[in-house]
Amino acid sequence: DGGITQSPKYLFRKEGQNVTLSCEQNLNHDAMYWYRQDPGQGLRLIYYSQIVNDFQKGDIAEGYSVSREKKESFPLTVTSAQKNPTAFYLCASSIKKDNNQPQHFGDGTRLSIL
Amino acid sequence: GQQVMQIPQYQHVQEGEDFTTYCNSSTTLSNIQWYKQRPGGHPVFLIQLVKSGEVKKQKRLTFQFGEAKKNSSLHITATQTTDVGTYFCAGSYAGNNRKLIWGLGTSLAVNP
Repeated sequence: DGGITQSPKYLFRKEGQNVTLSCEQNLNHDAMYWYRQDPGQGLRLIYYSQIVNDFQKGDIAEGYSVSREKKESFPLTVTSAQKNPTAFYLCASSIKKDNNQPQHFGDGTRLSIL
Repeated sequence: GQQVMQIPQYQHVQEGEDFTTYCNSSTTLSNIQWYKQRPGGHPVFLIQLVKSGEVKKQKRLTFQFGEAKKNSSLHITATQTTDVGTYFCAGSYAGNNRKLIWGLGTSLAVNP
């Protein structure tokens, strides 16, 4: 069954700690995206990747880092530099590089500060 | 910068009433997509509109793209409790095809 898997579903971060959110897809999609969603808000783009070994900053990249070593995987690290990390994080993918393609989302990771 | 404005932010309706959400852009869009996010869930793609004046239907949902490709609407006829959720539009612009610009969404509540 093809899809996008995000883990963990819930994550708690201590002050000064880096945490990594996993995103794996078996849809053979080229493009992958990370979004942040705050309560009652829309989606804000953190990073996106159009191809393996390449990624670009989105609108709110500060305090986050990503890697794209494999087509299937696009992990997001929330660093200690991100002072307000509590949010719902959504990973998405699309089949091609351009934006005429719909995005498919994982179930998300809810990150909270301890 | 490029922005997609979506209204209303919230809408409460009685089951059986109609519902419409609108998206507006100050500049011409290449295409617009609509997504639905159920409470506690993730956005799910509904439809994409590409052509000027395009109208598409999915059962009780009607999607329109304006003639100038600067606005779009989603209309639900005779809402049901299963329609509850937040509806997002997301547009892309010529020359900026690398990312979607998302509206803030319209949250729909349906009273049975």
